[in-house]
Amino acid sequence: LAKTTQPISMDSYEGQEVNITCSHNNIATNDYITWYQQFPSQGPRFIIQGYKTKVTNEVASLFIPADRKSSTLSLPRVSLSDTAVYYCLVGPPSGGYQKVTFGTGTKLQVIP
Amino acid sequence: NAGVTQTPKFQVLKTGQSMTLQCAQDMNHNSMYWYRQDPGMGLRLIYYSASEGTTDKGEVPNGYNVSRLNKREFSLRLESAAPSQTSVYFCASLIGLDTQYFGPGTRLTVL
Repeated sequence: LAKTTQPISMDSYEGQEVNITCSHNNIATNDYITWYQQFPSQGPRFIIQGYKTKVTNEVASLFIPADRKSSTLSLPRVSLSDTAVYYCLVGPPSGGYQKVTFGTGTKLQVIP
Repeated sequence: NAGVTQTPKFQVLKTGQSMTLQCAQDMNHNSMYWYRQDPGMGLRLIYYSASEGTTDKGEVPNGYNVSRLNKREFSLRLESAAPSQTSVYFCASLIGLDTQYFGPGTRLTVL
């Protein structure tokens, strides 16, 4: 997987929109950007994946600029339950057979 | 369909003892992974198995061995446990980057 850089931590008040940026300068043509969410004492779970422009689902939006060297995970109107660690992964989307590493992630703390 | 199961959930060992962490998945995934997560830290890859019959080292393989017994099962063995191996261990299986499923974790304490 491509090397990624994320902020180590972020704080946000409840009800605010949170944007977490991931840098991936060495992204390859066939790489997708995938975000995982990890709550305390649980394994990570998939939240969103995209290749370019914008992807939105019921949990989050993912914004990817034209050069694809960075991406932004956007969480609308966060609540206390969004307190978690968020990981950005960049690599081929399918086929497995990969050495999947997570890095340190971004620890989001939502404040009442 | 249980997904990814791990046993045991909790374990306390004394330094020098050995143990095997068991992992099984029922999703017919080819690839399986073992990670460790120290308090307040990110996940670190110990070993992975891209397919049945193959295993490869991850970021932190020292002190561990693995066995991919069949497509369903991937075990992690600590031959001589050390306090530095106190951690939460997660097993995962994967088809693609958007379909990596994790087990509930094993909390291991080495005294």
